Amino acid sequence: GAVVSQHPSWVICKSGTSVKIECRSLDFQATTMFWYRQFPKQSLMLMATSNEGSKATYEQGVEKDKFLINHASLTLSTLTVTSAHPEDSSFYICSASPPGDLNSPLHFGNGTRLTVT
Amino acid sequence: KQEVTQIPAALSVPEGENLVLNCSFTDSAIYNLQWFRQDPGKGLTSLLLIQSSQREQTSGRLNASLDKSSGRSTLYIAASQPGDSATYLCAVGTGANNLFFGTGTRLTVIP
Repeated sequence: GAVVSQHPSWVICKSGTSVKIECRSLDFQATTMFWYRQFPKQSLMLMATSNEGSKATYEQGVEKDKFLINHASLTLSTLTVTSAHPEDSSFYICSASPPGDLNSPLHFGNGTRLTVT
Repeated sequence: KQEVTQIPAALSVPEGENLVLNCSFTDSAIYNLQWFRQDPGKGLTSLLLIQSSQREQTSGRLNASLDKSSGRSTLYIAASQPGDSATYLCAVGTGANNLFFGTGTRLTVIP
């Protein structure tokens, strides 16, 4: 079955530094990947849609200059949290689906727990 | 904007019981509805996907139903086991694989 790999699974960084999270589709090509954020005891919220070869589409309220998304290949999307602050501490999860109709199930990575000190 | 609600927020049952988790959504114009399982600190595992034209899907001890007109879905778990303990998330697909998630039901199955 379709597998999505996310790295790292957890990261601790100091305030003001930048952190890069990778999302890879291991056995399929994904022209579109999705980045979600989950705060403690809350549900997942879509942050942005990553489009291969073009700019990402950000949801309302998500700062594109703070959360840089690069989707340079059909199997890799990266999310960079720039100048991280403690309020950016969260669980970040990516998802992707094999190309095809819109009703194919989404496959999720195992997530990245970011802690900013 | 689509809003997804899950009730109850938490549920504890003794092992062997059958149980039902509820999900409701405000906009019936959906492509599909998906149920996920999330273990603490982990990603999501897809359990069942119901297309908008379908009324239910089954996988092993799991059965999910969909009533689009009333904006409801249920996840039925038969003969619950301690290994079923997790948070169960309902997500509504509105197109282009965009999902709106509920806040989840945290299930504890007591041995």
